[in-house]
Amino acid sequence: DADVTQTPRNRITKTGKRIMLECSQTKGHDRMYWYRQDPGLGLQLIYYSFDVKDINKGEISDGYSVSRQAQAKFSLSLESAIPNQTALYFCATASGRAYNEQFFGPGTRLTVL
Amino acid sequence: AQKVTQAQTEISVVEKEDVTLDCVYETRDTTYYLFWYKQPPSGELVFLIRRNSFDEQNEISGRYSWNFQKSTSSFNFTITASQVVDSAVYFCALSENTGRRALTFGSGTRLQVQP
Repeated sequence: DADVTQTPRNRITKTGKRIMLECSQTKGHDRMYWYRQDPGLGLQLIYYSFDVKDINKGEISDGYSVSRQAQAKFSLSLESAIPNQTALYFCATASGRAYNEQFFGPGTRLTVL
Repeated sequence: AQKVTQAQTEISVVEKEDVTLDCVYETRDTTYYLFWYKQPPSGELVFLIRRNSFDEQNEISGRYSWNFQKSTSSFNFTITASQVVDSAVYFCALSENTGRRALTFGSGTRLQVQP
């Protein structure tokens, strides 16, 4: 079984809809991250969390919110989706003792029409 | 602020050619980590290598090799005898050792290996 899972893997939605992307991990890591990859670009940080009570914004947090329901779960919400949020979304986890190496989920491909 | 630059947007080679992907970074930290990831057409990110700022030894893994030079803030990746299966987008990334410890990615280099 994969250590970091993301659901759904693909989603098509309409402008104005609320969408939630979920991430779960079995690695026991404290740190979790959400990144967005726009077509032809690298990944950019949306939000990150060092534990359940610690949530922080990244460079492109506008239009997004997150919830750390448990150490193993970190959800990303788009309250009112817009077309320029069409992207590939990655969740990642990291341990404080793992030389900053991050373990990525398989990605969620989101299309907003 | 940290920054990673991959100036080569796309490279096309013929199978069996050697190819080098360039990566230049900027950071104020003295302790940091550098990474390379491969993104095949299926979209997942595949971890290739991690290097910390205190280890400037070059590394070789099969057909892959990495050249880390702090003096020029570069961490270049060479594929020897390229194969069609090497076709992918390759990302260089940097993580500082303090604060959020998130990865800052370059914009990626798309490598196409023609048969």
